[in-house]
Amino acid sequence: GQSLEQPSEVTAVEGAIVQINCTYQTSGFYGLSWYQQHDGGAPTFLSYNALDGLEETGRFSSFLSRSDSYGYLLLQELQMKDSASYFCAVRRDGANNLFFGTGTRLTVIP
Amino acid sequence: DADVTQTPRNRITKTGKRIMLECSQTKGHDRMYWYRQDPGLGLRLIYYSFDVKDINKGEISDGYSVSRQAQAKFSLSLESAIPNQTALYFCATSDSPREGQFFGPGTRLTVL
Repeated sequence: GQSLEQPSEVTAVEGAIVQINCTYQTSGFYGLSWYQQHDGGAPTFLSYNALDGLEETGRFSSFLSRSDSYGYLLLQELQMKDSASYFCAVRRDGANNLFFGTGTRLTVIP
Repeated sequence: DADVTQTPRNRITKTGKRIMLECSQTKGHDRMYWYRQDPGLGLRLIYYSFDVKDINKGEISDGYSVSRQAQAKFSLSLESAIPNQTALYFCATSDSPREGQFFGPGTRLTVL
């Protein structure tokens, strides 16, 4: 079977750091992506990791360990506007087809 | 103007009706996708297309069909809508995996 596991909900304080984990089990693996979706909005692309290690983009970083079938999204200096759902997604083949996790709802509190 | 547009944005229909959802993009991408989103289930791939002559089924294609009329246009049809097709539908385009997929604003479909 194929699965992507991520926590359903996370709550963190404004200004803090939060890590959202994702573990995967898929028939093929080319890379791990992260998407943000605000309530009522469309998913927006945050990051893509094809190789092991950390990728940093401003306040957001994403990490991948292929040997552990594990990745995470790290959000620093949390802001209220970061309250949203975050989805990890596996690229399973040579095309850019994605298999999405069920999402983590992040709530940032003052 | 938005890069990926979807029409209609909201639609209420009855069981058994034929429905078409349309997607247009100005990004010039060859790859286009249709997803369905249900609460608690994330996004699931219905169909994808790499060019006008290349259409492929995704995870949940039963009950759906698609048409790629041009590079910029990709339509999703429900031949005979049923209530469990009530969901939020997203169209997306992509070029490079490093740049991710670009999603339209979504169509909220309710089948009564």
